[in-house]
Amino acid sequence: AQRVTQPEKLLSVFKGAPVELKCNYSYSGSPELFWYVQYSRQRLQLLLRHISRESIKGFTADLNKGETSFHLKKPFAQEEDSAMYYCALSYDDKIIFGKGTRLHILP
Amino acid sequence: NAGVTQTPKFQVLKTGQSMTLQCAQDMNHEYMSWYRQDPGMGLRLIHYSVGAGITDQGEVPNGYNVSRSTTEDFPLRLLSAAPSQTSVYFCASSPGRKLFFGSGTQLSVL
Repeated sequence: AQRVTQPEKLLSVFKGAPVELKCNYSYSGSPELFWYVQYSRQRLQLLLRHISRESIKGFTADLNKGETSFHLKKPFAQEEDSAMYYCALSYDDKIIFGKGTRLHILP
Repeated sequence: NAGVTQTPKFQVLKTGQSMTLQCAQDMNHEYMSWYRQDPGMGLRLIHYSVGAGITDQGEVPNGYNVSRSTTEDFPLRLLSAAPSQTSVYFCASSPGRKLFFGSGTQLSVL
């Protein structure tokens, strides 16, 4: 069955330190992967998608088909990065999400 | 342009009651979907629709019904509410694969 796994429920990182949020997926076809973010008291919103290969707010994510991973990275964490992050997989008209990782940036 | 609008924002039900969560979008998106968000479970897909008149089941459809009579509206019905349906419900729409979310409905079933 198709699945998105985010192994960390909570990740605490000091301001200025690198961030890596892990995401692994299970899908036999060509995956379309996304990262969504939910800041406090804001709506869930798209952060980035692997197709566009862009950097948003300093975050990047590379699709590794061999490791079936789509980890989210940022070289230097900022306090405003504190939020809930969800990895998502699109297939057959469905979009499913992982359980999410709460990123807490320590001052 | 309001985007995706969900009503109500909060609702308390007794076990066995029925209700409809409303979702409307004004972006002319063909795709709409419903998710529930529970602590430690992330977002789980309930039902989705690729256009008016077409609906399909997601990961956790039991206990929920949907219909899509217009492009704009995608209501979610709970026919007989159960405590296990206590959750935050999110509606989303999409022109392709990028989801636009509503602000959510917090539902408690006692």
